[in-house]
Amino acid sequence: KAGVTQTPRYLIKTRGQQVTLSCSPISGHRSVSWYQQTPGQGLQFLFEYFSETQRNKGNFPGRFSGRQFSNSRSEMNVSTLELGDSALYLCASGVVGTGGASVPNEQFFGPGTRLTVL
Amino acid sequence: DAKTTQPTSMDCAEGRAANLPCNHSTISGNEYVYWYRQIHSQGPQYIIHGLKNNETNEMASLIITEDRKSSTLILPHATLRDTAVYYCIVRVGLSSGSARQLTFGSGTQLTVLP
Repeated sequence: KAGVTQTPRYLIKTRGQQVTLSCSPISGHRSVSWYQQTPGQGLQFLFEYFSETQRNKGNFPGRFSGRQFSNSRSEMNVSTLELGDSALYLCASGVVGTGGASVPNEQFFGPGTRLTVL
Repeated sequence: DAKTTQPTSMDCAEGRAANLPCNHSTISGNEYVYWYRQIHSQGPQYIIHGLKNNETNEMASLIITEDRKSSTLILPHATLRDTAVYYCIVRVGLSSGSARQLTFGSGTQLTVLP
């Protein structure tokens, strides 16, 4: 089974620009979560989508947004880039529990997109 | 979600077992223990999870104490490629309405020495 794929792998932008990152989850996974990793703050949760709806959001400004398509692929967008947005952006996919059944929270991460803002 | 405490760093000789401890003294009855690792500049890799019983898979073994307040991840024969940051995370199981957010702490930097 193919893993989580993220494109592009590397990106260089300048302050003020906007950027769109893409994530394709593992086949059959309907949940996609996004994380930001920086040396200073570590791994931080951005948001999560399933069934094309944002289900949960971390403590990030509105410049960070995302969406999910009907095939579960997801994109995240960062507008008006700042130097501090330089980071590794990670996407993770997982299954969605059904009904009241409780399932473990295995999430599978992609290789990430390394964004550098100059 | 319960908070976890891990040592900042550990060394292990290649070929020996690596035992990584995690303290989660406030864990609730419905919370799982998960382990992930992150090799430098790559995405985190899921290793194993457990609820009450010890678990083993092709990568590692997870030993959870009877009171569930601590656990140990065991890599039976560590190799240089196991050098990574290892994260212990405690999280409830999921139902259809649950959020999937994983809260990563600082983890343990495991260095496998030749």
